[in-house]
Amino acid sequence: GAGVSQSPSNKVTEKGKDVELRCDPISGHTALYWYRQRLGQGLEFLIYFQGNSAPDKSGLPSDRFSAERTGESVSTLTIQRTQQEDSAVYLCASSLDRGTYNEQFFGPGTRLTVL
Amino acid sequence: AQKITQTQPGMFVQEKEAVTLDCTYDTSDPSYGLFWYKQPSSGEMIFLIYQGSYDQQNATEGRYSLNFQKARKSANLVISASQLGDSAMYFCAMRPITNTGNQFYFGTGTSLTVIP
Repeated sequence: GAGVSQSPSNKVTEKGKDVELRCDPISGHTALYWYRQRLGQGLEFLIYFQGNSAPDKSGLPSDRFSAERTGESVSTLTIQRTQQEDSAVYLCASSLDRGTYNEQFFGPGTRLTVL
Repeated sequence: AQKITQTQPGMFVQEKEAVTLDCTYDTSDPSYGLFWYKQPSSGEMIFLIYQGSYDQQNATEGRYSLNFQKARKSANLVISASQLGDSAMYFCAMRPITNTGNQFYFGTGTSLTVIP
């Protein structure tokens, strides 16, 4: 595809359930980022993947959050035992490299609602 | 510590007028990039403009320009000739270049409303 895609676009789940969010980056983009955006707030960094390097997980808010990426392809963000405070839009972004100029291309986001 | 500050939660501008959205940043890294993104009500993040810390000239992209004052650590976005479609949230972001950190740091955003 031409841009970053994310699925599902919307997810409603019950408290305590696990959810898995998917991100398909732009082909050839080695860097992939996950962010969380609560209603009316800015972007909160979660995790960063760069090629085959160890991911930067410093933004993950708790051990209920994890993410995987195989090579330079699809990434999945998993939230276990969801809580109501996990309700947010989860944005994925990809970029070409880790140079100074490193424009991120964002996906449309997954809106997660935890009841 | 890395930090981005946008002190204007909301701004209004008359159509066709210019508006400046403020952004200050804090970093001890000598090399970094500064970015502005637009987020309309539809939710997508749209890249607007980039400024590198070693760039001598202020960045410009069409109606967008970045007023970069390195000594003051400010990177204000100037939108000239505002249009109704400019109404959106605007986020300033910084990416320091280090050996250990690869994050983008985002400000809390400024909501811009263009008045007809």
